[in-house]
Amino acid sequence: EVRLVESGGGLVKPGGSLRLSCAASGFSFSTFRMNWVRQARGKGLEWVSSITRTGYTYYADTMKGRFTISRDNDKNSLYLQMDGLRADDTATYFCVRDCSSTDCSHDYWGQGTQVTVSS
Amino acid sequence: DIQLTQSPSTLSASVGDRVTITCRASQDISRWLAWYQQKPGKAPNLLIYKASTLQSGVPSRFSGSASETEFTLTISSLQPDDFAIYYCQQYKDYPLTFGGGTKVEIK
Repeated sequence: EVRLVESGGGLVKPGGSLRLSCAASGFSFSTFRMNWVRQARGKGLEWVSSITRTGYTYYADTMKGRFTISRDNDKNSLYLQMDGLRADDTATYFCVRDCSSTDCSHDYWGQGTQVTVSS
Repeated sequence: DIQLTQSPSTLSASVGDRVTITCRASQDISRWLAWYQQKPGKAPNLLIYKASTLQSGVPSRFSGSASETEFTLTISSLQPDDFAIYYCQQYKDYPLTFGGGTKVEIK
């Protein structure tokens, strides 16, 4: 069974940092592109970042330079280092797996971890 | 960036109704479009990818179609479990983008 379990969320002051983690199990983690998607309360979905199997990264413009996605294939884990946090970064952050088929998009999502940026 | 415009933003319907949601892309995305269903407090669930391919395990009452830059999600006969928010997403190019969502509520 595919499982994605996020952790590391919490309350942080503006300008602060957090590191989110996603523990993956039930599949060959190293062979899948992975993503972070966020959702502010009552709002829509917003793509944050993606990382390929080989470590190439992509970022949304509003996160570029502040967020860093990484992966440890030996630990079956995905990370999101978030620096310079702002109030509008407050959201639930989902760890998301790309499908194995190149025709498909995202087939498995974690349950999310809440990040709140407030003084 | 590729913009996706979903309509309507809210849809009131009854069980058994045929429901159609539209997603319009700002440029050609060559059918690289997915539809997701999200229920309150839950993660999104993939329904359809490549505009019209049903994800494994998704009921056949869901279908997707495409005409150039206009994409449609259809629920042939709305069931009580289908009241939720639906999002389209393009994955042709980065940045990946989502539509604003369509809430399907009980009439």
